[in-house]
Amino acid sequence: GEDVEQSLFLSVREGDSSVINCTYTDSSSTYLYWYKQEPGAGLQLLTYIFSNMDMKQDQRLTVLLNKKDKHLSLRIADTQTGDSAIYFCAELNTGGFKTIFGAGTRLFVKA
Amino acid sequence: DTEVTQTPKHLVMGMTNKKSLKCEQHMGHRAMYWYKQKAKKPPELMFVYSYEKLSINESVPSRFSPECPNSSLLNLHLHALQPEDSALYLCASSQERRGRAYEQYFGPGTRLTVT
Repeated sequence: GEDVEQSLFLSVREGDSSVINCTYTDSSSTYLYWYKQEPGAGLQLLTYIFSNMDMKQDQRLTVLLNKKDKHLSLRIADTQTGDSAIYFCAELNTGGFKTIFGAGTRLFVKA
Repeated sequence: DTEVTQTPKHLVMGMTNKKSLKCEQHMGHRAMYWYKQKAKKPPELMFVYSYEKLSINESVPSRFSPECPNSSLLNLHLHALQPEDSALYLCASSQERRGRAYEQYFGPGTRLTVT
């Protein structure tokens, strides 16, 4: 079945780049998402990429997709303390409504 | 406007109470979702409505009863809940075209505590 895996914790220094990694299993056409969740808040959609793309850049965010290895990464340039949050990788199969979420990566940014 | 609103923000209820959670969006989205999220876990899908009809029920206990009165509103009626139902309840909405959904936009959630 479908599964999304990601590392659980990442710590970086303010100003450095952060790279959060994710793997997925669905081999059909799919959208892949990155959501950010701050404590006590809902999920904020950061960016997304379709499975036939290799890369997408949006200001400080760069998404890279390795289709062969089913590996997705989110790079945050010039990481700030306000970027501290949980980041969820998620996959939506084009055939339905169910979004499969990874367990979430907790990003901690040290000042 | 990509806003989904949810009320109340916090809710404390006893196991014999009846309460409702409300969700609203004005993005013209025709798919709406309820999720349950426990601490430090990803959201778990509960229900999906598509064009105001219940499309998915993820085997949710009947003490949770969803309702979609119109294309902008989604309710979750709660009755006889258990303490383990305490969680953050998230509403989301998305576009839907030809039977498939697109990226979901989430509300801020209702923090529910069952005593």
